[in-house]
Amino acid sequence: QQPVQSPQAVILREGEDAVINCSSSKALYSVHWYRQKHGEAPVFLMILLKGGEQKGHEKISASFNEKKQQSSLYLTASQLSYSGTYFCGTEGSGGSNYKLTFGKGTLLTVNP
Amino acid sequence: DGGITQSPKYLFRKEGQNVTLSCEQNLNHDAMYWYRQDPGQGLRLIYYSQIVNDFQKGDIAEGYSVSREKKESFPLTVTSAQKNPTAFYLCASMRAQGSSPLHFGNGTRLTVT
Repeated sequence: QQPVQSPQAVILREGEDAVINCSSSKALYSVHWYRQKHGEAPVFLMILLKGGEQKGHEKISASFNEKKQQSSLYLTASQLSYSGTYFCGTEGSGGSNYKLTFGKGTLLTVNP
Repeated sequence: DGGITQSPKYLFRKEGQNVTLSCEQNLNHDAMYWYRQDPGQGLRLIYYSQIVNDFQKGDIAEGYSVSREKKESFPLTVTSAQKNPTAFYLCASMRAQGSSPLHFGNGTRLTVT
């Protein structure tokens, strides 16, 4: 079952902040975040693991609430290059089982 | 440079024909994946494989088949049983440890008429 992302789309002016949310109906082992620009492959941003470990991008932060089965991606002082579609991907609980299921995406547009 | 190669970039087929999409990686990754991308639907998992000669169905496997005879290769066949095959297909791979970043290929856009 796909995780649910919100909002579906957001428009910012350069320098503004944004939060993208990802929630699941099942217990999670990990949450991945990727960004995809139009016509390109998705690019890795961040992994958050059950227990608090994070791996990823220095300029982007995220949180993972295991009890609520939710994750949020925080984009601060947005730049034009942040524009794209953001996807969260989730692995079910019980340890990594390699099955990574993605949400429908959040389209972020940053304007000058 | 290491990476994932998907070919061709664009593929056109007539309805009723099977078509095979190629995916090759030289990252020495054990796990490989196929996702389908449609507008507004995100990335939907078709099949994935953790090791050679083994693979599992994803969420939308009907009408597709795969093989994993070599670590480097994970071809996807879109069969005539797939009712709506026109889409953008992405191949990806991951290191064996799991919970590692997915590396994606540049995708194949399949159009069936």
